[in-house]
Amino acid sequence: KNEVEQSPQNLTAQEGEFITINCSYSVGISALHWLQQHPGGGIVSLFMLSSGKKKHGRLIATINIQEKHSSLHITASHPRDSAVYICAVRFTGNQFYFGTGTSLTVIP
Amino acid sequence: GAGVSQSPRYKVAKRGQDVALRCDPISGHVSLFWYQQALGQGPEFLTYFQNEAQLDKSGLPSDRFFAERPEGSVSTLKIQRTQQEDSAVYLCASRAEGGSPLHFGNGTRLTVT
Repeated sequence: KNEVEQSPQNLTAQEGEFITINCSYSVGISALHWLQQHPGGGIVSLFMLSSGKKKHGRLIATINIQEKHSSLHITASHPRDSAVYICAVRFTGNQFYFGTGTSLTVIP
Repeated sequence: GAGVSQSPRYKVAKRGQDVALRCDPISGHVSLFWYQQALGQGPEFLTYFQNEAQLDKSGLPSDRFFAERPEGSVSTLKIQRTQQEDSAVYLCASRAEGGSPLHFGNGTRLTVT
């Protein structure tokens, strides 16, 4: 049923490593969100993309509309980046569909 | 308040009880979404409102689930005769018009015993 696929499902990195999380979707979209969810906490929207690339601090999000693919990159990763990162896409209409998330653990 | 507020934060219900979960969206946000998130899974769409109109309820898993937003602001998700499989975190999100980002509440964790 899930039309949004994320990889990897789990990721462990050493502090300072460059991290990439991938999101693929099945059909054309009107918008894509990258979300961050901390354990027991709410969800924060990191980026909303419809084309190109966005950067905020150590976070970079890119989207390739033709390939139906987006990536979230974290440079110089830090233990406080440990969280679940979720890709959410909006197809036609207003529904958002979510990936199952990537659980990131950054070890000091 | 500045963000989306959900209450209660935690709810424990006995099987068969009815529950009501509340969402206060950001003031002025037109769109409101309810999602169900099982442990270890991404959120699954339940229903969507634009102002007071429920435009899509295709994600509601059964007729025991009912949502309303009578004045186009606060929304309530009601679950009747709760079952154990209803145990999940229920997330509310709101969005202003057009291509603006989603804002999520912290969710209500429902445990049905």
